[in-house]
Amino acid sequence: AQSVTQLDSQVPVFEEAPVELRCNYSSSVSVYLFWYVQYPNQGLQLLLKYLSGSTLVKGINGFEAEFNKSQTSFHLRKPSVHISDTAEYFCAVSPYGNKLVFGAGTILRVKS
Amino acid sequence: NAGVTQTPKFQVLKTGQSMTLQCAQDMNHEYMSWYRQDPGMGLRLIHYSVGAGITDQGEVPNGYNVSRSTTEDFPLRLLSAAPSQTSVYFCASSYSIAQGWTEAFFGQGTRLTVV
Repeated sequence: AQSVTQLDSQVPVFEEAPVELRCNYSSSVSVYLFWYVQYPNQGLQLLLKYLSGSTLVKGINGFEAEFNKSQTSFHLRKPSVHISDTAEYFCAVSPYGNKLVFGAGTILRVKS
Repeated sequence: NAGVTQTPKFQVLKTGQSMTLQCAQDMNHEYMSWYRQDPGMGLRLIHYSVGAGITDQGEVPNGYNVSRSTTEDFPLRLLSAAPSQTSVYFCASSYSIAQGWTEAFFGQGTRLTVV
């Protein structure tokens, strides 16, 4: 079985500052890793994914994440955030891409 | 391209009532699934289907039924609604690739309140 821990429930940050949203996972098998974003009253949109290959993954809207197998982490980063990045972010894992196991979510609040 | 369409967007039910949440996708994806989202718990898998005629249970299946008669549609039925089923429900679809399945494409959600 897999589990995901998002270490921060809320992250406040000022506009144009860098941000890191932390995600750790537990699994006895290799997994695919995902970050999704949810804007208020909307569905989930894929930010980026790691299936295999390079451990540094670039996604949409300037986000990137690094897969660290030894630390079982997949932290999401952005060098400079905008007000429009205010949303809830979910880390998810799956052995084959389906049957996603989600973390509890991190609310990113960008302040001006 | 509509993607994944869920209806209704909002619903209020009384305890004990039954209803069906509709989900349709126009991308010819083999895999479809239902999740529920509760505050502080992320999303949890209710049921999934790998193709027409094939369904299976996820993490939290109790109180819900599904069927998959076509590739496009994957309705979720609440048999006898309970307040614990108050949640936001998301339908998702994906397609197969060599290594497994692609990322999930989500609908806009159905917000259900059971009173």
